Amino acid sequence: DGGITQSPKYLFRKEGQNVTLSCEQNLNHDAMYWYRQDPGQGLRLIYYSQIVNDFQKGDIAEGYSVSREKKESFPLTVTSAQKNPTAFYLCASRGEGQPQHFGDGTRLSIL
Amino acid sequence: GEDVEQSLFLSVREGDSSVINCTYTDSSSTYLYWYKQEPGAGLQLLTYIFSNMDMKQDQRLTVLLNKKDKHLSLRIADTQTGDSAIYFCAESHGSSNTGKLIFGQGTTLQVKP
Repeated sequence: DGGITQSPKYLFRKEGQNVTLSCEQNLNHDAMYWYRQDPGQGLRLIYYSQIVNDFQKGDIAEGYSVSREKKESFPLTVTSAQKNPTAFYLCASRGEGQPQHFGDGTRLSIL
Repeated sequence: GEDVEQSLFLSVREGDSSVINCTYTDSSSTYLYWYKQEPGAGLQLLTYIFSNMDMKQDQRLTVLLNKKDKHLSLRIADTQTGDSAIYFCAESHGSSNTGKLIFGQGTTLQVKP
């Protein structure tokens, strides 16, 4: 089945540790997006990529990094510089002229 | 900058109609979207409307757009307990081709039996 797969579903980070969240899509979409969701708030854009080997910062990129080496994959690294990483992270992709479709999310917590 | 506002909570009885409202500020928005989020899950696209349309109907869902007032609403007819979720309004960033969306805070819909 075509879709967007995020893994893991739950992730725990220790102090000073970097963690990487996976996002894979088999929809042949060029554009991919990472959002952060905090309780009672809407989604805020972290990074987005419109094409392989290119990406741009969103509204809250500090403390995060991404790569886009393959069309299907857009991993997000939460670095130790992100002081408040506890949140629900959502990945989305979009085909040309189409709406964004979302994965099921990864919940990141601090140990 | 662009902003999208929604009321935070709506409670209705099963079988009633629900109306969720949204206001936005970006007059250059090309598309406006409604997404549904169930607990612990991602966002599911419900419907979307192009900015030159006034209304769109899809089964139990009706979207109304008042472009002059920058007001969008989602009406759910015959609301069921399975409709209990958070509903997000989002607008496309009309001045670019990036597909970036601006989301409201979400409206929690509670459906009582």
